[in-house]
Amino acid sequence: RKEVEQDPGPFNVPEGATVAFNCTYSNSASQSFFWYRQDCRKEPKLLMSVYSSGNEDGRFTAQLNRASQYISLLIRDSKLSDSATYLCVVSMSWGNNRLAFGKGNQVVVIP
Amino acid sequence: DVKVTQSSRYLVKRTGEKVFLECVQDMDHENMFWYRQDPGLGLRLIYFSYDVKMKEKGDIPEGYSVSREKKERFSLILESASTNQTSMYLCASERNRGTYEQYFGPGTRLTVT
Repeated sequence: RKEVEQDPGPFNVPEGATVAFNCTYSNSASQSFFWYRQDCRKEPKLLMSVYSSGNEDGRFTAQLNRASQYISLLIRDSKLSDSATYLCVVSMSWGNNRLAFGKGNQVVVIP
Repeated sequence: DVKVTQSSRYLVKRTGEKVFLECVQDMDHENMFWYRQDPGLGLRLIYFSYDVKMKEKGDIPEGYSVSREKKERFSLILESASTNQTSMYLCASERNRGTYEQYFGPGTRLTVT
């Protein structure tokens, strides 16, 4: 089983709509969770951390479900500038505490 | 702002050549990482370092080596480039263990012919 799994999409979203996607992770002992954003031909950048109680940053909401081992990202009122690939990132609690990256959810916001 | 720079944005090398990819960060971060990113495979960790002169293997270290002689600089070396090493190479730095917020350089697109 892969460490982090995401449905690559693409998710075609009308401008102004809401889009949500999940990722699942395999290590039940993982403690830290993140969403990174990667624009086309650019490097990944941290979008937000994901906390146990869930957290919101403007139009972006992240949730963590430890029992089912998934995290989610919801984008409200989608903007054209939200078009990007969203990478789910999970810390591995064994070995060297490195990060495991999902392959990403590609979001395309359509005018 | 943290700045991570990589020596080249695009590089074309021939099979069998020795290739050096350089990465420099300016925020006194302890940890540095080298990844490669390929379509359909995502980011895969090649090597990382938690301190000067220290290195640890990631998931796909075969065919690569690294050097960290100074805290701010982390080099990836392809001893004898092969066509299956054609990829996007991304360097990242992280303040220290447990922070997990990684800052990436702009990447080097390496083509091996």
